[in-house]
Amino acid sequence: NAGVMQNPRHLVRRRGQEARLRCSPMKGHSHVYWYRQLPEEGLKFMVYLQKENIIDESGMPKERFSAEFPKEGPSILRIQQVVRGDSAAYFCASSRGGRNYEQYFGPGTRLTVT
Amino acid sequence: GESVGLHLPTLSVQEGDNSIINCAYSNSASDYFIWYKQESGKGPQFIIDIRSNMDKRQGQRVTVLLNKTVKHLSLQIAATQPGDSAVYFCAENYSGGGADGLTFGKGTHLIIQP
Repeated sequence: NAGVMQNPRHLVRRRGQEARLRCSPMKGHSHVYWYRQLPEEGLKFMVYLQKENIIDESGMPKERFSAEFPKEGPSILRIQQVVRGDSAAYFCASSRGGRNYEQYFGPGTRLTVT
Repeated sequence: GESVGLHLPTLSVQEGDNSIINCAYSNSASDYFIWYKQESGKGPQFIIDIRSNMDKRQGQRVTVLLNKTVKHLSLQIAATQPGDSAVYFCAENYSGGGADGLTFGKGTHLIIQP
């Protein structure tokens, strides 16, 4: 079984550009979570999605950030008008259920804003 | 502030020794706890989890202990190997409310000395 896939693995954007991060969950998983990790810190929850629905976006910044998980295709985390403070590693996790189900993480996308 | 935290940022042990990594949490309602291992440049890897109706759970070379009285979680790794070198995170969730995502601590860097 393929694990959680994320691409690109590394992404460089200039300030003001848009960043699109993609996540394909494990086969059979319909629950996707996005986390952000700053250097030397733990992961911070951003958003939880099921197919075509945002279930919990309590960790998402109010502006410039959006996420979707369409019926077909990967989940997308979109960051508009990136700023240097957006530089971080963004991890996606998938599970076969909601709370209290094991989450499997992808390798992450390392975003660098220059 | 953080609802999950770790006592030591770095732990150095001799190869073959046992190691214990500690974690304190402040949300007494948390009922699901997980330990993750993260190697440099990779996503978190699930090690072991425990639910609040248990106080001990064992895996291969790892044991997780949960003390709900003092809100303390620990990960014991037996006979450490060089491949155990990584950052270890505890994470928690509460099935009855709050954000759907996991809350992570800052991590403990485990260094295995030859």
